[in-house]
Formats: sequence, C-alpha cells, structure tokens
Amino acid sequence: EIVMTQSPATLSVSPGERPTLSCRASQSVSSNLAWYQQKPGQAPRLLIYGASTRATGIPARFSGSGSGTEFTLTISSLQSEDFAIYYCQQYINWPRTFGQGTKVEIK
Amino acid sequence: QVQLQESGPGLVKPSETLSLTCTVSGYSISSGYYWGWIRQPPGKGLEWIGSIYHSGSAYYNPSLKSRVTISVDTSNNQFSLKLSSVIAADTAVYYCARAPAAYYFDYWGRGTLVTVSS
Repeated sequence: EIVMTQSPATLSVSPGERPTLSCRASQSVSSNLAWYQQKPGQAPRLLIYGASTRATGIPARFSGSGSGTEFTLTISSLQSEDFAIYYCQQYINWPRTFGQGTKVEIK
Repeated sequence: QVQLQESGPGLVKPSETLSLTCTVSGYSISSGYYWGWIRQPPGKGLEWIGSIYHSGSAYYNPSLKSRVTISVDTSNNQFSLKLSSVIAADTAVYYCARAPAAYYFDYWGRGTLVTVSS
C-alpha cells in the first residue's frame, strides 16, 4: 500500500497570502495524484488530477505541481472560501489511498 | 449534471451488516466509468472502500475485503455497498462517488452518516 503523507497538518494563513501544501508518496506514483478540498459538512470536491490539471470549474488560483513522490498544491491568493481541509490521493496502485489532510485555517 | 445520492439505515447494530445504495442521476452507469465508496470516520480522514465497473468487475481495499461487497444494478442506475460484521470503528460518513477509469473521484454524493451502536 502506498502511504501518502501531507504537511503541515495545519496551515494558518491570512486572506491574500499564497499557501503551499505538500504531499509525499512512499513510492513513486508518477503523475497519478489528485487533490480535493473539503469544507465542514460537505463532500470532498475534486480540485486537481494528473498532479497539475485543474478539474472543471476550479479557479485558476489553484495549481498543482510535482511528480514521482513529491507534490505541492498552491493557492496563489487565498480567498475566504478557500479555508478548508485539503487531501491528496494517489491512483497508480490499489488500494487507492489518501493523505491525512492539511487544514488551512484563518490566521 | 451528474448527481449521486446515498441511502440506507443510519444506525446499525454491532455484528450486523451495513447496507447502502447510491442512486445516480444525470449519467447512465452502463455508459462507463467506475463507481466507488469512500468513508470518513467523524473528525478523521478519507478511506477508500472499493470501486466497481458497470460490468461488475470490482476492486476492494484489502483492509476491508473480507467484509465488503459492492454490486451494481444498471436497470435502476444504482450501485450498492454491503459491509458485514460491523463494529464501532465502522461508524463513519459513507460517500459514493464516480471515478473516471477508476482513478480519482470527480462527482460525489453528499454522504450519509452510519453509526454502529447497540
């Protein structure tokens, strides 16, 4: 099983800042990496797939990068609606596995 | 617009079987894609349970494989989850979702909380 590790667990950010979230895989997943956003009481929403391709309707301020074992999600200018928990997920191997999440909170 | 809706009992007794159904609208399951179940214990992260193709070919999380069955009903555009011998640790919000080529999950249901308690 591929273990996905996200850091930091919590990120305190002010609106307008540029947070960078990290996701590391225990072995190479090539570019088979997705990012999700989850707000309280809601289902996760797909943000990024293929490590860097934005899903339909996702604002351009969200960008993903990386390949192999190291990945990042960057929000170019944090908006109030972006405070949430973000998860990465690999889909190169079974079982599909998620990171434990990074909570982006208001500083 | 693709929509998914989970349904089933919100309370299951320990050792019994948890049964949930996901009804899909706006897309025919028979047209393709994989369909999956993911769960999230209260206050915790996401755990993939399993995914199934419209043909019935399924993949399961090894940690749950001995207790899980996922099936598909193309005539009613639904797929279902059965988890046997449940324990308190199976208490979670259960989500159904669509998975292009069984990869990531692009459409999700709103989730349903299932509590395991006597």
